[in-house]
Amino acid sequence: DAKTTQPNSMESNEEEPVHLPCNHSTISGTDYIHWYRQLPSQGPEYVIHGLTSNVNNRMASLAIAEDRKSSTLILHRATLRDAAVYYCILLGASGTYKYIFGTGTRLKVLA
Amino acid sequence: ETGVTQSPTHLIKTRGQQVTLRCSSQSGHNTVSWYQQALGQGPQFIFQYYREEENGRGNFPPRFSGLQFPNYSSELNVNALELDDSALYLCASSLLGGKAYEQYFGPGTRLTVT
Repeated sequence: DAKTTQPNSMESNEEEPVHLPCNHSTISGTDYIHWYRQLPSQGPEYVIHGLTSNVNNRMASLAIAEDRKSSTLILHRATLRDAAVYYCILLGASGTYKYIFGTGTRLKVLA
Repeated sequence: ETGVTQSPTHLIKTRGQQVTLRCSSQSGHNTVSWYQQALGQGPQFIFQYYREEENGRGNFPPRFSGLQFPNYSSELNVNALELDDSALYLCASSLLGGKAYEQYFGPGTRLTVT
């Protein structure tokens, strides 16, 4: 199973953009890049996913490097509600669709 | 649309006992996965069930077992509980073959083994 590497923690000021990096140098050609976040006392929730192209949705944007060995989750305007642990996960396109979670990045948003 | 629910919310058991945790999948989903999350760690994959059959297993011993029912609800059973089994247990449902493998997680069951 391909692994991901993320910083343990990051801080951001409220209303400012946040760029959360993820390295996945052993990604295979068919692995999707998924991002989930886990708010305090809750289960993880889906944020965004992509394969090769950059992706946008109402929650965030996902920028994927051309060689796919890294990606960045972008929160355009951080709010206090965005304080959570963010997980970058690779998901293969066959067999068991199991998520291999790392320790994630704990995002602290300062008012 | 009903989300994923889990019961009970909290549970305290004694070492050596057995426990059953329950999960009700999101409507229309055919796959359920179970994860164990120790304090301060990311969730660890236990196993996945697809249409009532085990569809993959993580690095957990056989005393962790599961069932998925025709209505796609699910159970996680743990026998001979150990202190290290204390954790948050999460289930996640998804539609295999559907939209991009998104998994929808429940709020979890907090198990404490004393």
